[in-house]
Amino acid sequence: AQKVTQAQTEISVVEKEDVTLDCVYETRDTTYYLFWYKQPPSGELVFLIRRNSFDEQNEISGRYSWNFQKSTSSFNFTITASQVVDSAVYFCALSELVGSNAGKSTFGDGTTLTVKP
Amino acid sequence: DTGVSQNPRHKITKRGQNVTFRCDPISEHNRLYWYRQTLGQGPEFLTYFQNEAQLEKSRLLSDRFSAERPKGSFSTLEIQRTEQGDSAMYLCASSEGQGNTEAFFGQGTRLTVV
Repeated sequence: AQKVTQAQTEISVVEKEDVTLDCVYETRDTTYYLFWYKQPPSGELVFLIRRNSFDEQNEISGRYSWNFQKSTSSFNFTITASQVVDSAVYFCALSELVGSNAGKSTFGDGTTLTVKP
Repeated sequence: DTGVSQNPRHKITKRGQNVTFRCDPISEHNRLYWYRQTLGQGPEFLTYFQNEAQLEKSRLLSDRFSAERPKGSFSTLEIQRTEQGDSAMYLCASSEGQGNTEAFFGQGTRLTVV
């Protein structure tokens, strides 16, 4: 069975602070994909990043960076110099490519990030 | 193409009534997914289509739920004899590929059963 755990339910920071959102996953598959999505108050989930299980390189995109570590089954997301517009619910998701769960994504319960001015 | 479109955005219905939601995916996407999201939770998988074929249904999907994707284009999700527990946001998403590409989500249909 696949499972995604986002232990932080809510995080509140002041603008310009750095913040890390944690994601821990469980899967029996050796080939899988990990995703982060952002859900702003408008409700539509917006794709942020995809990582496959064979690529452990960290990635940076502007103020966003992701740290994928297979050894700890974690795929953490850091926002540097946070801004008020970063306030949203962030979801981590896992998608397996084989087996009974193939093709569909399992989401964590999300972390609500509030960035205060 | 402006993305995944869902209609209606909001639906209020009385318990016991039937409701139908529509999803128009991104036109070149062969995969279409339905998820359900309740407050404080992540999206939960309901079902998905590869073109017009429905490949899997979650155990969450009772016999009162049915989904179709005729001709592999738009999809409908029908809930018969609605119950208060069906109140949730119903999300549709589409993607290329087979789980290895990101999904593009619509804005959802919020169902309230009174």
